Amino acid sequence: DTAVSQTPKYLVTQMGNDKSIKCEQNLGHDTMYWYKQDSKKFLKIMFSYNNKELIINETVPNRFSPKSPDKAHLNLHINSLELGDSAVYFCASSQGELLAGGLQYQETQYFGPGTRLLVL
Amino acid sequence: GNSVTQMEGPVTLSEEAFLTINCTYTATGYPSLFWYVQYPGEGLQLLLKATKADDKGSNKGFEATYRKETTSFHLEKGSVQVSDSAVYFCALVPGGSYIPTFGRGTSLIVHP
Repeated sequence: DTAVSQTPKYLVTQMGNDKSIKCEQNLGHDTMYWYKQDSKKFLKIMFSYNNKELIINETVPNRFSPKSPDKAHLNLHINSLELGDSAVYFCASSQGELLAGGLQYQETQYFGPGTRLLVL
Repeated sequence: GNSVTQMEGPVTLSEEAFLTINCTYTATGYPSLFWYVQYPGEGLQLLLKATKADDKGSNKGFEATYRKETTSFHLEKGSVQVSDSAVYFCALVPGGSYIPTFGRGTSLIVHP
């Protein structure tokens, strides 16, 4: 069984188009993430959702909008695609542990296989 | 802030050679430390981790020891195989945080 799945695996599109990438995890985790990996393999966190609420929103253009319909899904919609958006996008999930004082602690990340986006 | 510094690659070795990939970190508090591996065309997967000082993580012949005094978590393997060719990422998660910090990755190429 696939733990974290993404669709599509490959996405080739024209500049200016709008596209979505879907992610689903069947691990029962409460936190999900989107990462962007550039051609030099540098991994940058974009967003994180915990129990359907946005908790991390790094410096990302407004054209990127995450949506979490439920704990198991975190989709990424991209408006007005640009050449520089070409990259591999990874979804990931992790499970929190509740610590004293109400803090949550996240550890091992489980990654999906990636979506290779090419903007022409 | 938090940061992870890895040695730049690619690291090119012959099969059965000894591997070391250096990783040092800067973090507030007491982070957990991780090594992830990314095989060609795939997502990252956890290789090993350590959650406190002097812990040793190990998996598939790879080892790394959490050294608080030198803020390091170097990855080692005694005898690499061609199938170990991949990109290796060192990462940390600060205590009580959601936010992981990854190093830039080190590519390992193992020749027969």
